[in-house]
Amino acid sequence: DGGITQSPKYLFRKEGQNVTLSCEQNLNHDAMYWYRQDPGQGLRLIYYSQIVNDFQKGDIAEGYSVSREKKESFPLTVTSAQKNPTAFYLCASSAGGTGYTFGSGTRLTVV
Amino acid sequence: SQQGEEDPQALSIQEGENATMNCSYKTSINNLQWYRQNSGRGLVHLILIRSNEREKHSGRLRVTLDTSKKSSSLLITASRAADTASYFCATAPLISNFGNEKLTFGTGTRLTIIP
Repeated sequence: DGGITQSPKYLFRKEGQNVTLSCEQNLNHDAMYWYRQDPGQGLRLIYYSQIVNDFQKGDIAEGYSVSREKKESFPLTVTSAQKNPTAFYLCASSAGGTGYTFGSGTRLTVV
Repeated sequence: SQQGEEDPQALSIQEGENATMNCSYKTSINNLQWYRQNSGRGLVHLILIRSNEREKHSGRLRVTLDTSKKSSSLLITASRAADTASYFCATAPLISNFGNEKLTFGTGTRLTIIP
């Protein structure tokens, strides 16, 4: 079945540590997105990519980095520069004009 | 930046009743979409309505769009316990590159269906 897989489901980060969240899709979608969701709030865009080897900053890109070396993969790194990384992270993809397909999310906690 | 604002923030109704949620937005759009999110899960796309459409149906869902008022509503008829979730509206900008919209999501309405 086609879909988006995010891993891990839960992730714990120590102070000053970089962590990478995985996002893989087999839908053959060109565009991929990373959103952050804080409790009781909506989604805020971190980064997006409309084509391989190209990506743009969203509204809250500071402290995050991404790569798009393959169409299927769009990993997100939360760097030590992100001072408040505890949140629920959602990856999505789209083919354009038909809505997003979301992964099941990664819950990141700072310990 | 938040484009959409849902109203109400929370809604509790009896099973079988209809649920109505509203979304207001600020700038001109290409389309507006509604998503459902069960607790701790990813979002699921429900329905998309384009700026030149006024109403759209999908099963028990009815969406309206009023571009003059920059608002949309989602109606769920004959609600079921399984409809308990958060519902978000999302807007696509008027001009999109490559046809892939960069959506801006609202803050959501938490719907609880009481059995």
